[in-house]
Amino acid sequence: GAVVSQHPSWVICKSGTSVKIECRSLDFQATTMFWYRQFPKQSLMLMATSNEGSKATYEQGVEKDKFLINHASLTLSTLTVTSAHPEDSSFYICSARDLQTGASQPQHFGDGTRLSIL
Amino acid sequence: GNSVTQMEGPVTLSEEAFLTINCTYTATGYPSLFWYVQYPGEGLQLLLKATKADDKGSNKGFEATYRKETTSFHLEKGSVQVSDSAVYFCALRGAGANNLFFGTGTRLTVIP
Repeated sequence: GAVVSQHPSWVICKSGTSVKIECRSLDFQATTMFWYRQFPKQSLMLMATSNEGSKATYEQGVEKDKFLINHASLTLSTLTVTSAHPEDSSFYICSARDLQTGASQPQHFGDGTRLSIL
Repeated sequence: GNSVTQMEGPVTLSEEAFLTINCTYTATGYPSLFWYVQYPGEGLQLLLKATKADDKGSNKGFEATYRKETTSFHLEKGSVQVSDSAVYFCALRGAGANNLFFGTGTRLTVIP
């Protein structure tokens, strides 16, 4: 079935480092991908919608200069957390939907990236 | 707007007990409804879905029925196993929309 690959799965880095997370749809094309953030013991919160070939749409309260999103191809979206700080530590998950399979089909999620900023 | 209200956990059950996790929603039109499961250390997986009123989604012994009259999509399983221990998320996708709205998640622990 359709698979979304997310990389890396775990990142530990120093404060001030920029971290790039990749999200790939492996056997389908996704013109739209989504980036979520999950705080401990809380639900997923949509951060932004990544659109292939155009600017991402950010949810209210999400800093677009902090969380850079690039969706350069139909199978790859990247999220870069710039100058990360401890408060950015979280679990980031991407998802995509194969639009060719119909509007009722669910999204496919990556396995997530656990980001720990020291 | 769209929102999902999910029963707060954590829920601890003995093996073979009956499980219900309540989920209600607010939406305009006719949304699609989903239950996702997150096993420890893993990403989200779709557990089941329903796309119209009175549909029943089922998978791995879990069931949920799309009830428009009560705007609910409660998750049930007749006999839980230790391997069902996970966090369960109820989610909604509005009609014509792409993104999902999630509930807060319910952590289920099944003890032998």
